[in-house]
Amino acid sequence: ETGVTQTPRHLVMGMTNKKSLKCEQHLGHNAMYWYKQSAKKPLELMFVYSLEERVENNSVPSRFSPECPNSSHLFLHLHTLQPEDSALYLCASSQEYRGEIPYEQYFGPGTRLTVT
Amino acid sequence: SQQGEEDPQALSIQEGENATMNCSYKTSINNLQWYRQNSGRGLVHLILIRSNEREKHSGRLRVTLDTSKKSSSLLITASRAADTASYFCATDAKRDDKIIFGKGTRLHILP
Repeated sequence: ETGVTQTPRHLVMGMTNKKSLKCEQHLGHNAMYWYKQSAKKPLELMFVYSLEERVENNSVPSRFSPECPNSSHLFLHLHTLQPEDSALYLCASSQEYRGEIPYEQYFGPGTRLTVT
Repeated sequence: SQQGEEDPQALSIQEGENATMNCSYKTSINNLQWYRQNSGRGLVHLILIRSNEREKHSGRLRVTLDTSKKSSSLLITASRAADTASYFCATDAKRDDKIIFGKGTRLHILP
């Protein structure tokens, strides 16, 4: 829909499971982001990658592990999650990370994660 | 504390009326963006306004920015059912270039 795809769209996992979320952007962008969106809370930026290098890690617990193998793909590896981690996880990309010219972010549809 | 904060939290209006949402922020910004999110989907960028701009238009959207009051407004004219969504402002703070989203305004257009 916007050039950014995410899989799976829905995921239910137990607290002892290991799973991964995948994001792919087809826009030729250099920056990619992971956000967490919980009900009645502001969108929380989790990680930022610029040119495949992690440039922001906003105090995210180690049970969330990002990976950016190339500028088009971004993963979020999940293990031993807690029920409070249930949320909509959004991936986004932008032309650049920071610079003189501001760039809008393009978001994927999100993965609805439920931790049981 | 969060940078951008929208009000009202929720707004219901009749189709055809104008909808106005506001965003207030605390620190100096480089620019401010407005996004729309349909239920359970990703955000879609609507408009970006730089700190040296006061007003921008895009179709039925009009955004204003008052840096002296640290506030912005998003006006949607002649609302349509398809405008039903949540609207977020995102501020790019000068102090650290971080983009922070507010909690959003839920807009419901009544038929």
